[in-house]
Amino acid sequence: NAGVTQTPKFRILKIGQSMTLQCTQDMNHNYMYWYRQDPGMGLKLIYYSVGAGITDKGEVPNGYNVSRSTTEDFPLRLELAAPSQTSVYFCASSYSRGIITYEQYFGPGTRLTVT
Amino acid sequence: GESVGLHLPTLSVQEGDNSIINCAYSNSASDYFIWYKQESGKGPQFIIDIRSNMDKRQGQRVTVLLNKTVKHLSLQIAATQPGDSAVYFCAENSGGSNYKLTFGKGTLLTVNP
Repeated sequence: NAGVTQTPKFRILKIGQSMTLQCTQDMNHNYMYWYRQDPGMGLKLIYYSVGAGITDKGEVPNGYNVSRSTTEDFPLRLELAAPSQTSVYFCASSYSRGIITYEQYFGPGTRLTVT
Repeated sequence: GESVGLHLPTLSVQEGDNSIINCAYSNSASDYFIWYKQESGKGPQFIIDIRSNMDKRQGQRVTVLLNKTVKHLSLQIAATQPGDSAVYFCAENSGGSNYKLTFGKGTLLTVNP
């Protein structure tokens, strides 16, 4: 299994541009997540999904959108990029069963710079 | 909202020593805790987890201790190696939904040869 894969690895955007960060997992996990990590900080949840067709906001959703049309894919869309969105973005997935929490598996990240 | 925090932002140890990384949590409703290791330029990597019905759990060279009385979590790494140098995060499943994790800021562990 490849686990969680993300593309691209790096990207530089100009202010006002848009882009989509891709995330795919091959572990058949129903839960998927997007985080951002600013320098020297922990991870902050942007959006999450509990299954295909279901998404919800996390802690810092403003300026982002997501969709979940399949179990495997969970793309993150940035519209009108701003310098404040310069960060490293991580996608993660996890298994779930009832109310039992299991560990999240993370992708390698996308380093985004907005200038 | 309640969140997970760390006592020490940096920790420097000698190769071969044991390392202890501490974490405080404030949400008494959390029942799942997890430690991640993040090397420079990489995504977080699962190390070990523990549920609230346990006080201690051991893995390969790592032990997690949970003290629910004082809401404290620790990660012990035995015989620390240079490859253990990384940022270590603790996380808890606080919030309204158990599957969402709240992460601390992390502790940078540096292992000196």
